[in-house]
Amino acid sequence: DQQVKQNSPSLSVQEGRISILNCDYTNSMFDYFLWYKKYPAEGPTFLISISSIKDKNEDGRFTVFLNKSAKHLSLHIVPSQPGDSAVYFCAASGIGDDKIIFGKGTRLHILP
Amino acid sequence: EAGVAQSPRYKIIEKRQSVAFWCNPISGHATLYWYQQILGQGPKLLIQFQNNGVVDDSQLPKDRFSAERLKGVDSTLKIQPAKLEDSAVYLCASSQGAGVETQYFGPGTRLLVL
Repeated sequence: DQQVKQNSPSLSVQEGRISILNCDYTNSMFDYFLWYKKYPAEGPTFLISISSIKDKNEDGRFTVFLNKSAKHLSLHIVPSQPGDSAVYFCAASGIGDDKIIFGKGTRLHILP
Repeated sequence: EAGVAQSPRYKIIEKRQSVAFWCNPISGHATLYWYQQILGQGPKLLIQFQNNGVVDDSQLPKDRFSAERLKGVDSTLKIQPAKLEDSAVYLCASSQGAGVETQYFGPGTRLLVL
């Protein structure tokens, strides 16, 4: 039972363009959402997060949008750079819970 | 600041053998997590320690997996006996406990069971 779903296993984007990674969730008790980035042979590293009381959070080139009614969030990377090529995991957590539920990940390829 | 250390980085064993992984968290981090990441999946929490006590081990297959965190610092995760489906990357993470995003992950141990 996948509570956090990333339906695109991979995505290719031209350098300089916008990358949009999507994520859906099923558990309405989730109130905190995170994106992690993972390079090969390394552990995931935290990228950006958003609380359920917000619908947008921005950090430099990275913006996360949350649509609670649709149980959907997306990560926008603008402009995309070669170093952004990695696997991106969407994750969620419940109220007062430090347990993270991860999606399967989306592999992002930034093309020169 | 040194990150989360894990060893070994790679391990190949035959089914029914035993294996152990070691994790050294970031200094001062009270909370330690072990995750299993099967190829093509996201990390799945196996066990969470707060200091040397277990907070959550609901996803740990206790008939074959065990973990301990002696003295509230280093931790070991053991599999005995291993099955083919245990092939995965085992990730250790630690945090001070201030929020979910403050989990820092180690590089992982890649296990292949033949």
